[in-house]
Amino acid sequence: KNQVEQSPQSLIILEGKNCTLQCNYTVSPFSNLRWYKQDTGRGPVSLTIMTFSENTKSNGRYTATLDADTKQSSLHITASQLSDSASYICVVRVGSYIPTFGRGTSLIVHP
Amino acid sequence: EAQVTQNPRYLITVTGKKLTVTCSQNMNHEYMSWYRQDPGLGLRQIYYSMNVEVTDKGDVPEGYKVSRKEKRNFPLILESPSPNQTSLYFCASSLGQGASYEQYFGPGTRLTVT
Repeated sequence: KNQVEQSPQSLIILEGKNCTLQCNYTVSPFSNLRWYKQDTGRGPVSLTIMTFSENTKSNGRYTATLDADTKQSSLHITASQLSDSASYICVVRVGSYIPTFGRGTSLIVHP
Repeated sequence: EAQVTQNPRYLITVTGKKLTVTCSQNMNHEYMSWYRQDPGLGLRQIYYSMNVEVTDKGDVPEGYKVSRKEKRNFPLILESPSPNQTSLYFCASSLGQGASYEQYFGPGTRLTVT
C-alpha cells in the first residue's frame, strides 16, 4: 500500500474555477510535506513546504493546508488558469534522505 | 542561471548496451539523487549522494550504478539495460541532505530500451 495517497487521480475543470487536491499519508514520524507542480515533460517544481506546526501556507493562487493529526493535506487552487494544467505531486519526508512521493493528481484546465 | 541539466534528453537503445545519463548542477549543492517516474507509480528514488564519493541506494537501485567524483556531476550508469528500465528519469539536487531543503529537478531523460 502506498504510504502517500493522492486524490482524485485526475481532474478536469473550467478556467476560472477553484479546485482542491487531497493528499493523505501514513508515513511517520512526519518531518515535512511538499507540494510539487510538474508540467508535462518537465521536472517537478516545489510550490509549498509545510512542517508539523504549520496549518496553512499560500503561494499566490495556491494554498496548502495540513492537518498533522489526521495526516491529511490539501492543495487549493483559486481562479484556475490554463497554465495550471499539470500534475501535482505530494511528497512527505520523515527525516530520512528518501522522500515518499504520491502518484500525483493530473489537473486539466479547459478554456 | 541556476539549474540541473541532464543529457541526453531522449535515448532509444537496445538490451544490454551500456549507457550513461549525465547530470550536472551549477548551484554547489551537496545532495544529488536520481529518480525514475513510471505511469501510475510516481517518482521512485534510485540512488542518492550526500557529497563527493558518498553514495547510497534508494528504493529501486537494482540494475543501476552511480558515481560522484565531482560535486557538480552525478552520472547514472546502466551497465546492461533491460526493457523494464524503460522510463522517465530525473536527476535532482539540493543544498543539503535534510528534509527542509528543496530539491531542484532536471528536465528529465526519457529512456526506451528495446
